[in-house]
Amino acid sequence: LAKTTQPISMDSYEGQEVNITCSHNNIATNDYITWYQQFPSQGPRFIIQGYKTKVTNEVASLFIPADRKSSTLSLPRVSLSDTAVYYCLVGELGYSTLTFGKGTMLLVSP
Amino acid sequence: EAQVTQNPRYLITVTGKKLTVTCSQNMNHEYMSWYRQDPGLGLRQIYYSMNVEVTDKGDVPEGYKVSRKEKRNFPLILESPSPNQTSLYFCASRTDSSSLYEQYFGPGTRLTVT
Repeated sequence: LAKTTQPISMDSYEGQEVNITCSHNNIATNDYITWYQQFPSQGPRFIIQGYKTKVTNEVASLFIPADRKSSTLSLPRVSLSDTAVYYCLVGELGYSTLTFGKGTMLLVSP
Repeated sequence: EAQVTQNPRYLITVTGKKLTVTCSQNMNHEYMSWYRQDPGLGLRQIYYSMNVEVTDKGDVPEGYKVSRKEKRNFPLILESPSPNQTSLYFCASRTDSSSLYEQYFGPGTRLTVT
């Protein structure tokens, strides 16, 4: 699985847009990029997945440049409840193992 | 409601006393997996199962056993727990290989071994 690098932590204020970037320089042709969210003492929750360009759902947007060596999770107008750890994962569909890194701790303040 | 359930949610036990943490999913998923989460180490996979009667080791399988006798259940067994197995455990499931990363996680089991 491709190794990923994310910032350890980020701070934001309510109502702001937050962009969390993940670096994955050795991404393979068949790899997809996926983001999970985890609140304290809860299991991770799937947010969004993409292969290239832009993907948007009701929760977030995922931007992937043409070279796919990085990706950016965009959270519009965050609220206090968006305070969580966000994980970026890269891998091929059908892979049997799933490796979570240490994620990015997002703290949203009033 | 589609969900993954784990029991118990909290458990305090003593070294060497065998225990089982149950995991059940109601989504007819083929794939199930167990993780442990420790401060500073993130989530690490213990065992996974691609389908009934098919199990395989993850990154940290030592000291654990699993079984997959039926599709919905995937219990985690600690034959002789030790203090270094004190951790937060998560069970997860997903459908077939066409949707790798949309895994559904259970609420977690916090285990303390004294």
